[in-house]
Amino acid sequence: EDQVTQSPEALRLQEGESSSLNCSYTVSGLRGLFWYRQDPGKGPEFLFTLYSAGEEKEKERLKATLTKKESFLHITAPKPEDSATYLCAVRAVTTSGTYKYIFGTGTRLKVLA
Amino acid sequence: KAGVTQTPRYLIKTRGQQVTLSCSPISGHRSVSWYQQTPGQGLQFLFEYFSETQRNKGNFPGRFSGRQFSNSRSEMNVSTLELGDSALYLCASSFSAPSGSNYGYTFGSGTRLTVV
Repeated sequence: EDQVTQSPEALRLQEGESSSLNCSYTVSGLRGLFWYRQDPGKGPEFLFTLYSAGEEKEKERLKATLTKKESFLHITAPKPEDSATYLCAVRAVTTSGTYKYIFGTGTRLKVLA
Repeated sequence: KAGVTQTPRYLIKTRGQQVTLSCSPISGHRSVSWYQQTPGQGLQFLFEYFSETQRNKGNFPGRFSGRQFSNSRSEMNVSTLELGDSALYLCASSFSAPSGSNYGYTFGSGTRLTVV
């Protein structure tokens, strides 16, 4: 069964304390892995798309990496404004040639000043 | 630059009724997708439209339907509402076709539907 699992469920960091969020997946026909950030009461905000193992992308304090089984979102020297829920999603091709999107349940990040 | 606009923001309906939600994508975006978000199930994909055609569909019953107009605006309809349909319904748009590379979606703030 296709599955996306994010860990940890929740993470509290001190400002400046770097860490990584994990997204492990078991899908066949991967056609992209997405990272989003979601603030309370708002829709998700797109961060990155990764397509192949070994690919890396960076944006400010965030860096996403991808292997054949998992993706990591590295947060370097986080600030309180980085507090949010981080969602991972995969897009996979089905046997009929269409796409399906599967989301993880997210990691709730709290950065303390 | 205007973002993705969803209307209404909040909605209360009675079980058995039907509801139509609206989504206006970012100007120039031709892909529109819909998602259901609940505390228990998280975000679940409903369907995706590109150039007025449904390209991809999630595992939801036929009571959930949608369409896209020539101006890329999209509507989602849920018929015979059930209590379990209470959720935040999110719409997202993208410039690229679903098979495009290196693209992401821009989400709206959602419509919160409560079924009583």
